Parts: sequence; C-alpha cells; structure tokens
Amino acid sequence: SAVISQKPSRDICQRGTSLTIQCQVDSQVTMMFWYRQQPGQSLTLIATANQGSEATYESGFVIDKFPISRPNLTFSTLTVSNMSPEDSSIYLCSVEDGGYEQYFGPGTRLTVT
Amino acid sequence: AQSVTQLDSQVPVFEEAPVELRCNYSSSVSVYLFWYVQYPNQGLQLLLKYLSGSTLVESINGFEAEFNKSQTSFHLRKPSVHISDTAEYFCAVTMNTGFQKLVFGTGTRLLVSP
Repeated sequence: SAVISQKPSRDICQRGTSLTIQCQVDSQVTMMFWYRQQPGQSLTLIATANQGSEATYESGFVIDKFPISRPNLTFSTLTVSNMSPEDSSIYLCSVEDGGYEQYFGPGTRLTVT
Repeated sequence: AQSVTQLDSQVPVFEEAPVELRCNYSSSVSVYLFWYVQYPNQGLQLLLKYLSGSTLVESINGFEAEFNKSQTSFHLRKPSVHISDTAEYFCAVTMNTGFQKLVFGTGTRLLVSP
C-alpha cells in the first residue's frame, strides 16, 4: 500500500488568509483525491486531481476557493483560500492504487480564527 | 448516484461483547464496498473490502462484513470487541465500472468500555 504524508499536520490561521497543504506519496499514482472532514462529520470529496490535467471539482467546491496543483505523479497541493471559520476542518488527501482501494494521508487539521 | 446510510451514529458496548455496525447502500449499478476505521486523531485506514467473490470478507483484527445484495447491506461485525477497537467506522461505496469516487456514510462511533 502507498505511504502518504501531509504537511502541515495542523495549523491555526486567521480569517482571510490562505493555507497550502502538501500531499506526498511514496510511489507514482495516477489519481489523487482531496477530502474535507468537518468536525464530527463524514468525509466529503472536494476534487480529483490527475497529473497533467485540471482538477475535477465536486458540486459545492470551486477552483477559486480550493485551487489544486498536481505537478507530478507523487505530489499534490490543495490551497484553502480566503479562509473563514467555516473552513475549519480536517483535510485529507488520498490515492487510488489501481485496485479500487484508496489510501489516506494522516490529514491536516485546520482551525480558522 | 450512490448513497450510504449508517443508521447508528454511536454504538456503546462492553469489552468482549459482540458488535454489529450497520451499513446500507443505494445504487443503480453494481458496487464495491469498503469499511474504513479512524482511530482518535488519526487518518483513515482501510479495514476490509468487498470487490467480488465470497460475500463474507474478513480483516486481520477479527472484524468481518457480509455483502448482501438483496438487502443492499454490508454490515460490520466482530464477535468480541476490545478496548482498542474504540474508533469511528465509515462505510463507503464506489461503482465497479472503472474507478469512481468513494461515497462515505456518516460514520458510527464505536465506544468500548471495560
């Protein structure tokens, strides 16, 4: 299974600022995903990021708010822009291994004050 | 579109008791099913999966789940729980027609007490 790391593991940010979260995988993968887990809730897919193409966003999520980069097959970033307290969540990246399994990173716990 | 229902938001049990966490799904096409576990302050770990073949699947730590197509269910069971099983458990589904996104249920918090 893929080993996934995320940076930062947690952060406290002020309203109106932006934070970029990094996701690094120890092997080359085609598909990477970004999820949001709001306090006490389930995971919601933000977008799918394939290398060499624009990210595909789910309903309710837009590129201006959550720009994503996927420069190569082992790395991706998610930026949370112009943050508000409602953006306080855990943000997780995951990868699909080609066998329909997804493996998740440890998450980035974001608090917006 | 797929959807997943986990009716129990929280299940309290005593150590060494059996437990069942319920998961029902809705889909117009065939699906693959997963259970993920999230221990406190950790990321998600794949617990077990059903892709094809035997409808009863097992994990290495004693959990099992049975895919029931007629009842559209994939309930998770363990005959004897440990304190260390205390965690959030998420059921998830994806279509089996090429990779599609995972759709998660709302999760069930398993609380094991001595």
